[in-house]
Amino acid sequence: RKEVEQDPGPFNVPEGATVAFNCTYSNSASQSFFWYRQDCRKEPKLLMSVYSSGNEDGRFTAQLNRASQYISLLIRDSKLSDSATYLCVVKDYGNKLVFGAGTILRVKS
Amino acid sequence: NAGVTQTPKFQVLKTGQSMTLQCAQDMNHEYMSWYRQDPGMGLRLIHYSVGAGITDQGEVPNGYNVSRSTTEDFPLRLLSAAPSQTSVYFCASSTLGAPKEKLFFGSGTQLSVL
Repeated sequence: RKEVEQDPGPFNVPEGATVAFNCTYSNSASQSFFWYRQDCRKEPKLLMSVYSSGNEDGRFTAQLNRASQYISLLIRDSKLSDSATYLCVVKDYGNKLVFGAGTILRVKS
Repeated sequence: NAGVTQTPKFQVLKTGQSMTLQCAQDMNHEYMSWYRQDPGMGLRLIHYSVGAGITDQGEVPNGYNVSRSTTEDFPLRLLSAAPSQTSVYFCASSTLGAPKEKLFFGSGTQLSVL
């Protein structure tokens, strides 16, 4: 079983839609959680950290469920510019950061 | 600040050749790492370092060596290139400890091994 698993998608949504991605992790001792965004052929960039109480940044909401070992990312009012691959990242023991394979989002007009 | 500088951007090797991918950061980050990204597999950790003189293996270390003689530099060496090492390589750095764990990535190296 992979340490971090994501639905690869693609998720094809119209502009203005709300879309949600989940990511599951296998190590219950994982310490920190993040969502990164990667545009085609570019380097990944941090979108947001995920805190235990959940957190919001504009149209983006991230949540953590430790009991079920998953994190989620909700995007409201999708924009064309949100089209990208969204990577779930988990900090494991020993400062190791493990990436999921990513979920592709395509927002269409 | 230049951030994370990774060179070269593109490289073609023949099977059996060796080479070094360079990575340097000017942010005084303790943590540095190398990832490879293959279609459908996401980024996989090759090696990482939490400080000068300290390195450790990631998920896919075979065929690669690293060293961390300074805080700034973290080169990745391919000892004897194989076609299976054809991939996009990313170097990344960060501070240690939440909440400042944002990874800063270099722009990547597209490596082809023939």
